[in-house]
Amino acid sequence: GENVEQHPSTLSVQEGDSAVIKCTYSDSASNYFPWYKQELGKRPQLIIDIRSNVGEKKDQRIAVTLNKTAKHFSLHITETQPEDSAVYFCAASRNSGGYQKVTFGIGTKLQVIP
Amino acid sequence: DGGITQSPKYLFRKEGQNVTLSCEQNLNHDAMYWYRQDPGQGLRLIYYSQIVNDFQKGDIAEGYSVSREKKESFPLTVTSAQKNPTAFYLCASSNHRGGAYNEQFFGPGTRLTVL
Repeated sequence: GENVEQHPSTLSVQEGDSAVIKCTYSDSASNYFPWYKQELGKRPQLIIDIRSNVGEKKDQRIAVTLNKTAKHFSLHITETQPEDSAVYFCAASRNSGGYQKVTFGIGTKLQVIP
Repeated sequence: DGGITQSPKYLFRKEGQNVTLSCEQNLNHDAMYWYRQDPGQGLRLIYYSQIVNDFQKGDIAEGYSVSREKKESFPLTVTSAQKNPTAFYLCASSNHRGGAYNEQFFGPGTRLTVL
């Protein structure tokens, strides 16, 4: 089955600095890679996603890059703000017998220090 | 909040009891999922369902059961066979457009504690 590794598990940055979270996956059939943000006590919410036919996607201060050959993808947050503090999950998704099978990383706890 | 609800928010269970967690969505999504979240282990898939009356085991299905009698509902039963059920349970749903997979919308979660 798919295995998604995510690192670092915790990350502290000064406000205004950039944060980078990296994930690797094992199944070359995975073709959809979402990133979720989970604030304390709340549900995970999608912040950005990328499909396997695209190498990079950007949405304001957030960008995701995908290297299919190396099977890794990364989340980049620029000009971090205290409200960016949360747990971030990467995921890899593939078609499994007509179902969407999603495998999540263990999460990265990001702390932005004012 | 995405049209997917879970109840109750908190649930306490005595050892040996079965409990059922509710998940309802009004997004007209075909697919629904149950995840378990433990500290340091991310989200692990318990069961998932593509259509009514069909569901598949995820990575940690032992000790759990589900049903999908209606498109809107996907209840999860935590049975007494589940050795360590204390966790945060998240339900999610998603839709497929043109064969492509899209984001999952999560419910607010149920925190289950075994006393």
